[in-house]
Amino acid sequence: TQLLEQSPQFLSIQEGENLTVYCNSSSVFSSLQWYRQEPGEGPVLLVTVVTGGEVKKLKRLTFQFGDARKDSSLHITAAQPGDTGLYLCAGWETGNQFYFGTGTSLTVIP
Amino acid sequence: NAGVMQNPRHLVRRRGQEARLRCSPMKGHSHVYWYRQLPEEGLKFMVYLQKENIIDESGMPKERFSAEFPKEGPSILRIQQVVRGDSAAYFCASSPGSGRGGLYGYTFGSGTRLTVV
Repeated sequence: TQLLEQSPQFLSIQEGENLTVYCNSSSVFSSLQWYRQEPGEGPVLLVTVVTGGEVKKLKRLTFQFGDARKDSSLHITAAQPGDTGLYLCAGWETGNQFYFGTGTSLTVIP
Repeated sequence: NAGVMQNPRHLVRRRGQEARLRCSPMKGHSHVYWYRQLPEEGLKFMVYLQKENIIDESGMPKERFSAEFPKEGPSILRIQQVVRGDSAAYFCASSPGSGRGGLYGYTFGSGTRLTVV
């Protein structure tokens, strides 16, 4: 069983569309991170959220941490082909364990 | 060297040979983590090391796999007597702080893609 479930697992959209990726758990996390991994490369840290209800924006990307700190979402506005990649959430669970999510593979078609 | 350096980028080994994967952490980082990834899947934790110490090896298979992070030199992930099921991408990450991930986040290398033929 995976502590951090991401949905959808695969997503293929047209350039210019909006999308949301979800990261859910039944456990409480003291902090949660989002990474993007491009083919053939390692994951790159995008953001860390630590406060329940926190919202962070990174250009066209909006990250939200759930009020109860059990879930998070990543919203991309006007997706571009350069957004293509594997999106991974990861969290420091309050039981002192760190987990990566199952991943969402995004393809943006020009 | 601004990032985490892994080498080689690609490694091909025959069944039964040994594979040695190297990782030099980011400058100023003293915590190293090894992860394994299969195609289209997330990252699976293997081992967490500090200089000369293995902190957490709960994700390492009990046989054939070992890791070290000596006082001098890179961290090494060693796989003895490789089998086809060992074929995967192996990523190294480093962080400046203690614990696994936490508030600092990880800086990842580009990975070593191991193919066992």
